[in-house]
Amino acid sequence: GAGVSQSPSNKVTEKGKDVELRCDPISGHTALYWYRQSLGQGLEFLIYFQGNSAPDKSGLPSDRFSAERTGGSVSTLTIQRTQQEDSAVYLCASSPLGPTENYGYTFGSGTRLTVV
Amino acid sequence: GEDVEQSLFLSVREGDSSVINCTYTDSSSTYLYWYKQEPGAGLQLLTYIFSNMDMKQDQRLTVLLNKKDKHLSLRIADTQTGDSAIYFCAERGTSGTYKYIFGTGTRLKVLA
Repeated sequence: GAGVSQSPSNKVTEKGKDVELRCDPISGHTALYWYRQSLGQGLEFLIYFQGNSAPDKSGLPSDRFSAERTGGSVSTLTIQRTQQEDSAVYLCASSPLGPTENYGYTFGSGTRLTVV
Repeated sequence: GEDVEQSLFLSVREGDSSVINCTYTDSSSTYLYWYKQEPGAGLQLLTYIFSNMDMKQDQRLTVLLNKKDKHLSLRIADTQTGDSAIYFCAERGTSGTYKYIFGTGTRLKVLA
């Protein structure tokens, strides 16, 4: 697609429920990243994909968080048994190649998750 | 470890210059970036600078890099109300996974 697409744009869920957040990167971009932006905080790295594999998932806060990527394209971030502290904007970004340092990321508009 | 710091707020009058500052800790960073986030939107890449450069100019934007002090700044000339946004600096981490380390962001408010 023309840009990075994330869905849903907004999600309100009850504490304890599972949620899935979707990211459609720019076609051909092999690197995909998930970040979390909490109110008043910077961007917190969650996970990095190169193709379908995740060489770095060091930022996932707990084992309730998981992510996968299929076909070198769409990625899904799943949060199980959501907690109120999971409320944040989840941002996805893609870039053509991980090692190409002069390419900045292209970000999606994010999914605003509210856990009530 | 890797850390990027920015002041949280900046307020300027329309037409004045804005200077947003950033300090980072990873001296081996090769590229440093400035991103802009408007309300309800994702982050937009504004500009970047390679670590062997001291300055980069792009229209109203000037990036200055002091590698010795690990200090990066973004100057916006003739600031307009449309420049009101949150500005993030970022460094590429050196862990080999190409993740970027972002600062907390500086909220720029332009007063008419």
